[in-house]
Amino acid sequence: NAGVTQTPKFRVLKTGQSMTLLCAQDMNHEYMYWYRQDPGMGLRLIHYSVGEGTTAKGEVPDGYNVSRLKKQNFLLGLESAAPSQTSVYFCASHKTGAAYEQYFGPGTRLTVT
Amino acid sequence: EDQVTQSPEALRLQEGESSSLNCSYTVSGLRGLFWYRQDPGKGPEFLFTLYSAGEEKEKERLKATLTKKESFLHITAPKPEDSATYLCAVGFSSGSARQLTFGSGTQLTVLP
Repeated sequence: NAGVTQTPKFRVLKTGQSMTLLCAQDMNHEYMYWYRQDPGMGLRLIHYSVGEGTTAKGEVPDGYNVSRLKKQNFLLGLESAAPSQTSVYFCASHKTGAAYEQYFGPGTRLTVT
Repeated sequence: EDQVTQSPEALRLQEGESSSLNCSYTVSGLRGLFWYRQDPGKGPEFLFTLYSAGEEKEKERLKATLTKKESFLHITAPKPEDSATYLCAVGFSSGSARQLTFGSGTQLTVLP
């Protein structure tokens, strides 16, 4: 099993550009999450999904959109990137009944100039 | 508002020098305390779950304990491969999902 994979690993954007981060998991997990990690601030939840076709807002959702069209994929979109969105983005998933034992992907390092 | 504070921010130990990391929390309705390990350039990896005061969990050189207001991660006779950032998180329910509030981590360096 590959576990949780993220594409791309690195990306540099200019202010105002858009992009989509892809998260894929092969563990048949129902729940999927997108976090951002900034120095000194810990991981913060952006959006999450409790199943195919469902999404919900987390702690810091502004400026991001998500979609879960397939159970194994969770996409994070930035429509108009801002320097404040420079961060490392992590995707995570877990199975039903193991709510907090989340499996994380390797992360995407995004820089917005 | 739920808060999780970890101390120290960074810790350097000699190989074999035991120590403890602290995680203090203020939450309404704790649904568990969780420890994760994060290596540079990688995502966090789950270590332990603690649900009630007095509970302890062990894994190799690591032992996690929980009181009503804080958790400790004790590292006994650490080795260089234990070097990593250790994150703690508290769980809570929001809507239909279980969510985690993370601390900012303790960066541990074990010198040979």
